[in-house]
Parts: sequence; structure tokens; C-alpha cells
Amino acid sequence: QKEVEQDPGPLSVPEGAIVSLNCTYSNSAFQYFMWYRQYSRKGPELLMYTYSSGNKEDGRFTAQVDKSSKYISLFIRDSQPSDSATYLCAMSEGGTSYGKLTFGQGTILTVHP
Amino acid sequence: IAGITQAPTSQILAAGRRMTLRCTQDMRHNAMYWYRQDLGLGLRLIHYSNTAGTTGKGEVPDGYSVSRANTDDFPLTLASAVPSQTSVYFCASSDSGGIATDTQYFGPGTRLTVL
Repeated sequence: QKEVEQDPGPLSVPEGAIVSLNCTYSNSAFQYFMWYRQYSRKGPELLMYTYSSGNKEDGRFTAQVDKSSKYISLFIRDSQPSDSATYLCAMSEGGTSYGKLTFGQGTILTVHP
Repeated sequence: IAGITQAPTSQILAAGRRMTLRCTQDMRHNAMYWYRQDLGLGLRLIHYSNTAGTTGKGEVPDGYSVSRANTDDFPLTLASAVPSQTSVYFCASSDSGGIATDTQYFGPGTRLTVL
């Protein structure tokens, strides 16, 4: 079993929909949780970052972390065609594993007009 | 500011050949990383360097080597390529020596096919 599991989709939604993307993980030492967005044939770019449990909001994006359930989510409100991309969750233990991220498989999202 | 550049953009390589993928950053970041991305497996860390002169092994280091002679360059070498090394390779960098909270900035990737 992989340390981080992410449903690869693909996920197709109409413009304006609320999108929910999720990852589960098995390593209880993970403390830092990130979401990256990757457009086709481009490198990933950091979308949001959270530390430990809780919620973080940035515009139309909300990241949630539930460490007790080892489950993280990314919600996209009022989704736009420009949100069409692959979304990757990533996690790190911190400490002596500085900078070493473990990624999920990525979820392919298409928002159609 | 270019950020991170990778070369070549794509390459088809015969099995058994030696290949070096180049990565250069102009952000004066301390830490640099090499990942491979495969369908269904996501991004996996190959090697990393927290500062010039030091390197470390990631999740899938076998068959790959790296060097970090200066801050800006972090080449990845496949000594004798095998078909299982067919993948998209991404170089990344971050500012403060690899602290977990640092943003990692990714290059555009190199698509490598080993036949």
C-alpha cells in the first residue's frame, strides 16, 4: 500500500460546481500538507499549504486536514474551466526529512463550460 | 527571471546508453530535487541536495546519480539507461536548505523514452 492514496479520477464537472479532492495517508508522522496544481505538460506549482490539522482558505480554494482520520481535502468553489488540471496532494514529516515530499498519484480534473 | 530550466525537453535513448539531464536555477535556492513522474504513481523523489556540495537519496535512487558542484546546477545522470527509466523527470528547488515548509518550484520537465 502506498503511503499516500489519491483517487486519480478523472473527474469532470460543469462550470460553477463545487469540487472535492481527497487524499488519505498511512504515515502518522506527516505534519505538513500541500496541494499542487499541474497543467498539461507543465511542472507542478504549489496551490496551498497547511500545517497539522485544520482548515485554510484562499479565495475559491479551501484545504482541510484531519490528522485523526489521516485524511486531507481540497475544495474548489465556483469552479472555472481554467481550474482544469491535475491536482496532486503532497506531505512531509518535517524534522530531519526536510523538503522530502511524498506525493499522491494526482487527480485529473476537467471543468467544462 | 527564468526560474528553473531543464534540458533537453525530450529525448529518446537506446537502452544501455549514458544520459545526463540538466537542471539550472537562477533563484539562488539552497535546495534542489529530482523527481520522476509516472502514470498512476505520481511524483517520486530520486535524489535531493540541501546545499551545494551535499546530496542525498530519495525514494527511488537506483540507476541514477547526481552532483551539486555549485548552487545553480543539479545534473541527473543515468549511467546505463533501462526501459523502466522511461518517465517524465522534474527538477525542483526551494529556498532555505530544504525545510518542509518551503515552496518547491518545479521546472518544465524532461520527457525521456528508453527503448
